[in-house]
Amino acid sequence: ETGVTQSPTHLIKTRGQQVTLRCSSQSGHNTVSWYQQALGQGPQFIFQYYREEENGRGNFPPRFSGLQFPNYSSELNVNALELDDSALYLCASSLGTVSHDTQYFGPGTRLTVL
Amino acid sequence: AQKVTQAQTEISVVEKEDVTLDCVYETRDTTYYLFWYKQPPSGELVFLIRRNSFDEQNEISGRYSWNFQKSTSSFNFTITASQVVDSAVYFCALSEADQGGKLIFGQGTELSVKP
Repeated sequence: ETGVTQSPTHLIKTRGQQVTLRCSSQSGHNTVSWYQQALGQGPQFIFQYYREEENGRGNFPPRFSGLQFPNYSSELNVNALELDDSALYLCASSLGTVSHDTQYFGPGTRLTVL
Repeated sequence: AQKVTQAQTEISVVEKEDVTLDCVYETRDTTYYLFWYKQPPSGELVFLIRRNSFDEQNEISGRYSWNFQKSTSSFNFTITASQVVDSAVYFCALSEADQGGKLIFGQGTELSVKP
């Protein structure tokens, strides 16, 4: 069974640029959630995708957007990057969208915005 | 409002000591789930346990044990006979029944186990 994978591992961008992060869900999981983890903080929920539709969103501006594909993999896009977007971006997959579905996390993508 | 508080930012112990990581949560829901995750230096969050709000039985898994007390809204995690490999940041998280899969995390407790 393949776990959650994310790419790239690290990324450096400059302010104002756009970035796309990718996530492959664990085998059998149809739900993907994205989290932002600033240094020294707990992860913050960005949004969740279920069957290619957004299914819940945290307190993040519209320049954070996502996609989910028929194979349940997902992308996180961030436009007009700001310095505060520098963080570890974590993707998690789960069997479904209910609160008791355990989320399994990938290794994360560390984004640095200069 | 939903919230998770891990008051201990950093804990340092010597190998073989027992250590307890505290977690206090706030929620208005009667149905909710609590989780603990471990984050080693590699960055990946590793799932440790899930507990629902209707099950207050303590749970033990090897050297790990969890104490859930609804009366004090706490879900504490104890590592018995700690080992250097236990060094990591540990997160407590809350998921409410009407919020789907949104996890609310605490700030984390960084545990350092010294040989």
